[in-house]
Amino acid sequence: AQRVTQPEKLLSVFKGAPVELKCNYSYSGSPELFWYVQYSRQRLQLLLRHISRESIKGFTADLNKGETSFHLKKPFAQEEDSAMYYCALRPLNNAGNMLTFGGGTRLMVKP
Amino acid sequence: DVKVTQSSRYLVKRTGEKVFLECVQDMDHENMFWYRQDPGLGLRLIYFSYDVKMKEKGDIPEGYSVSREKKERFSLILESASTNQTSMYLCASSEQGLLFFGSGTQLSVL
Repeated sequence: AQRVTQPEKLLSVFKGAPVELKCNYSYSGSPELFWYVQYSRQRLQLLLRHISRESIKGFTADLNKGETSFHLKKPFAQEEDSAMYYCALRPLNNAGNMLTFGGGTRLMVKP
Repeated sequence: DVKVTQSSRYLVKRTGEKVFLECVQDMDHENMFWYRQDPGLGLRLIYFSYDVKMKEKGDIPEGYSVSREKKERFSLILESASTNQTSMYLCASSEQGLLFFGSGTQLSVL
């Protein structure tokens, strides 16, 4: 069985500071990793996935198979980045597209 | 633009009531899911469905059942609501590994 751990429930940074939201996973096979974000009063939505290897809203995340991590990073946080962030894993051989989510990290960016 | 619609934004029910949470998607997705979202626990999968009339238990199915009579509609049923089922319930459909979520239903069981 797979497991996703987000060690920080709350992360508070000042505007312009770098931010890193940690995500660690355990899974014996090949995983696909995602970050989902939920802004205040909005629905949960995809932020990025490791397969795409792209930067969304200035965020990047690299899959580190050696450390089994998929940390989300942004060099300069903005107030509009304040939201709830969830890391999620999907086994690549899972025909059901079932994702396992971490507990979430609330990011607060202070002015 | 994918649309996943949950029929109620807020619901208040009493202990022991039978509760129906409805979800409709308009993108002809085969896979649909019900999660509950609790602070500190993240999203936990209750049930999912690969196709019409097909259903599979997720991680926390106890106290819940589901119905998928039509492809676009996936219903979550609480046979006898209890206070520990007070939560935010999220419905989602998926395609190629990407989940599309509804706005959620905040259920309070008194």
